Amino acid sequence: GDSVTQMEGPVTLSEEAFLTINCTYTATGYPSLFWYVQYPGEGLQLLLKATKADDKGSNKGFEATYRKETTSFHLEKGSVQVSDSAVYFCALMWGGATNKLIFGTGTLLAVQP
Amino acid sequence: NAGVTQTPKFQVLKTGQSMTLQCAQDMNHEYMSWYRQDPGMGLRLIHYSVGAGITDQGEVPNGYNVSRSTTEDFPLRLLSAAPSQTSVYFCASSKTDGTQPQHFGDGTRLSIL
Repeated sequence: GDSVTQMEGPVTLSEEAFLTINCTYTATGYPSLFWYVQYPGEGLQLLLKATKADDKGSNKGFEATYRKETTSFHLEKGSVQVSDSAVYFCALMWGGATNKLIFGTGTLLAVQP
Repeated sequence: NAGVTQTPKFQVLKTGQSMTLQCAQDMNHEYMSWYRQDPGMGLRLIHYSVGAGITDQGEVPNGYNVSRSTTEDFPLRLLSAAPSQTSVYFCASSKTDGTQPQHFGDGTRLSIL
């Protein structure tokens, strides 16, 4: 079945460091891909999305490119801030009748000043 | 601009008790769903609905019931609470075109003693 695999955390970085969180997926076809962020004590918020191969999603300095060849959607940011500390979830979604999201297990990012 | 509203935010139950977690959205979304979030497991789909009067099971439906009598509301019922149902529960909604992100509520933290 469809699945999402993302790197285990926690990921601990110093402020202004470069961030990569790996995400790969298994699916028959080309789903939409998402990154969600969960700040402490809050619900999930959409960070960025891509709906077809080679699309690049971007928001708040974060980027991810939908790579069909490697079935990947890695999250990157050039310079992280303490305020980026959160749990990041990669997810895929099929549309149509089901519209179900399949999540990875989440990656905790801790940014130190 | 309420979005997805979940009540209550916190609840403690005794084993065997029943309760209903409420979820309401004001975005006229067709699709609504319930997830549970457990450490190290990401979010898992409990039940979902693609419109009023239509519900279906997700990955972990046992012990939970849902109904969808209106577009706005999608309550989740625990029939006889068990300690294994201790978790954080999230409700989400979206359009059903397969590209639009799901909007999440702030969650209900449920403890079963």
